[in-house]
Amino acid sequence: RKEVEQDPGPFNVPEGATVAFNCTYSNSASQSFFWYRQDCRKEPKLLMSVYSSGNEDGRFTAQLNRASQYISLLIRDSKLSDSATYLCAVSGTASKLTFGTGTRLQVTL
Amino acid sequence: DAGVIQSPRHEVTEMGQEVTLRCKPISGHDYLFWYRQTMMRGLELLIYFNNNVPIDDSGMPEDRFSAKMPNASFSTLKIQPSEPRDSAVYFCASSLFFGSPGEETQYFGPGTRLLVL
Repeated sequence: RKEVEQDPGPFNVPEGATVAFNCTYSNSASQSFFWYRQDCRKEPKLLMSVYSSGNEDGRFTAQLNRASQYISLLIRDSKLSDSATYLCAVSGTASKLTFGTGTRLQVTL
Repeated sequence: DAGVIQSPRHEVTEMGQEVTLRCKPISGHDYLFWYRQTMMRGLELLIYFNNNVPIDDSGMPEDRFSAKMPNASFSTLKIQPSEPRDSAVYFCASSLFFGSPGEETQYFGPGTRLLVL
């Protein structure tokens, strides 16, 4: 089993739709969780950190479920500009970040 | 702030040649990370440094790969000899801290696209 797993997609959604991604992790001792966004042929950039209580930033909501060992990202009112690959990242006791392979989102008119 | 700087941005070389990738982290960041990204394997951590000292190199694929950080503002990743399967995008990233929630954001450089023929 991979340390961090994501559905590769692509998710094709119309503008204005709500879309959710999940990411599962295998190390129950993992401490920190993140969502990164990567545009085509660009570097990953931090979208949000994921806190135990869940957190929201505008149209984006991230949640952590430790019992089931997954994190989620919800995007409301999707925009064309949200089209990108979304990478989840998990850090464990070894103090290194492990990334999922990413979920590709395509928002269409 | 200039962000993480990597060079070259693109490298095309022939199998067997030595390749050196360079990285300048964000000033003041204590941690530096080298990643490799391919379609098949995604983003993989190769090695990371804390205060110029290599901490974990378990992701380095084999002895052909080596990384150094002679000072706080410069790191290299070297592949010698290169092979076609090394073709990938190599990212360098830096962070202020690691293990401190809220302060461990990794900032990535633009990457080096390596093609080994």
